[in-house]
Amino acid sequence: SAVISQKPSRDICQRGTSLTIQCQVDSQVTMMFWYRQQPGQSLTLIATANQGSEATYESGFVIDKFPISRPNLTFSTLTVSNMSPEDSSIYLCSVDGTSGGAGNNEQFFGPGTRLTVL
Amino acid sequence: KNQVEQSPQSLIILEGKNCTLQCNYTVSPFSNLRWYKQDTGRGPVSLTIMTFSENTKSNGRYTATLDADTKQSSLHITASQLSDSASYICVVSDDNDYKLSFGAGTTVTVRA
Repeated sequence: SAVISQKPSRDICQRGTSLTIQCQVDSQVTMMFWYRQQPGQSLTLIATANQGSEATYESGFVIDKFPISRPNLTFSTLTVSNMSPEDSSIYLCSVDGTSGGAGNNEQFFGPGTRLTVL
Repeated sequence: KNQVEQSPQSLIILEGKNCTLQCNYTVSPFSNLRWYKQDTGRGPVSLTIMTFSENTKSNGRYTATLDADTKQSSLHITASQLSDSASYICVVSDDNDYKLSFGAGTTVTVRA
């Protein structure tokens, strides 16, 4: 298993500002993922963060709005830029583990960062 | 488009009672199905993972079933405890790129 920590755990921010969320893993992992979970909704993948290359963004998410860094195999950051109230959400970091071989990859999630934009 | 539908959206049960949550999916080709438990203010934690060939898997008082033909899964909670109060999320992985499709979750409230 992997132990994942996120900072901050929660924040309240003003419209137009930016917030950087940190994700730290206790072991080296190839792929890290950033998700958004809006109130009452399922998790939505924002992007996949690969060490040594640019992040891969899902449809509807762009690098200018959600820049991601991945300086090493245990750490990543997600920045929510020029925030609006619509960005209020829980942001989750996740890593891909293995549990029983190919096709059984388990994902481990961090505790999440609860963001409120006023 | 791959979809995962969960029902009910929420339910309330008395401590000690059993309950069953449902998950229907359209993900194809199918790789595996997972059930996660998400406590309030926490990230999801895996309960079970099932591949195509598995039709039941247990983790303590949690038992998941899978019918890959009808693309349905259920999560049964036995002898519920107050600590079972959480959101339960069904997640299905496709066999192409292991992308995950998440259900919206079922919120379970266990009352004394």
